[in-house]
Amino acid sequence: EAQVTQNPRYLITVTGKKLTVTCSQNMNHEYMSWYRQDPGLGLRQIYYSMNVEVTDKGDVPEGYKVSRKEKRNFPLILESPSPNQTSLYFCASSLDGYTDTQYFGPGTRLTVL
Amino acid sequence: AQSVTQPDIHITVSEGASLELRCNYSYGATPYLFWYVQSPGQGLQLLLKYFSGDTLVQGIKGFEAEFKRSQSSFNLRKPSVHWSDAAEYFCAVGTTNSGYALNFGKGTSLLVTP
Repeated sequence: EAQVTQNPRYLITVTGKKLTVTCSQNMNHEYMSWYRQDPGLGLRQIYYSMNVEVTDKGDVPEGYKVSRKEKRNFPLILESPSPNQTSLYFCASSLDGYTDTQYFGPGTRLTVL
Repeated sequence: AQSVTQPDIHITVSEGASLELRCNYSYGATPYLFWYVQSPGQGLQLLLKYFSGDTLVQGIKGFEAEFKRSQSSFNLRKPSVHWSDAAEYFCAVGTTNSGYALNFGKGTSLLVTP
């Protein structure tokens, strides 16, 4: 089954404790992206990647890192999480950029205390 | 500044009634336009998209949208709403100037009453 998976689905952590949210797709997609969703703000793009080793900033990259060492994986790293990073995070992938249909993962709900 | 505006935060319609969700954008370049839907507790699903050509585009689940360049709008419509259409709807815009970054509106929450 074609899908985008994220782990963990739920995470509660404390300020400053490094964490990684994994994202994996099995569709051989070139483009992958991370978004955060906050009430009243909609979805905001954090980072995206056009291909392996190619990443670029979206609207709200501060406090986040990403890497794309393999085509299928695009982890989101929070090196020193803060409470303002409490949010619902979505990973998405598409064949070739956002002009193709993006397939979204189920989301990761992160709470930073 | 580039922006995507969905003027209606919440909309309530009766089942069987018609629906129109508004989306306005402010971009200097020719936009790529999308509508996504998010059902409760789910990720987003693409309803339809417009890049060029016929300004009236058909999507899944009986939705359509019309691109009006003069009004900088891309409104989503459905002639008869079903209870299962209750969800959050997002308009999104990308342009060749923005690289491969996609900007979403803040969303419109649709409630369908019996």
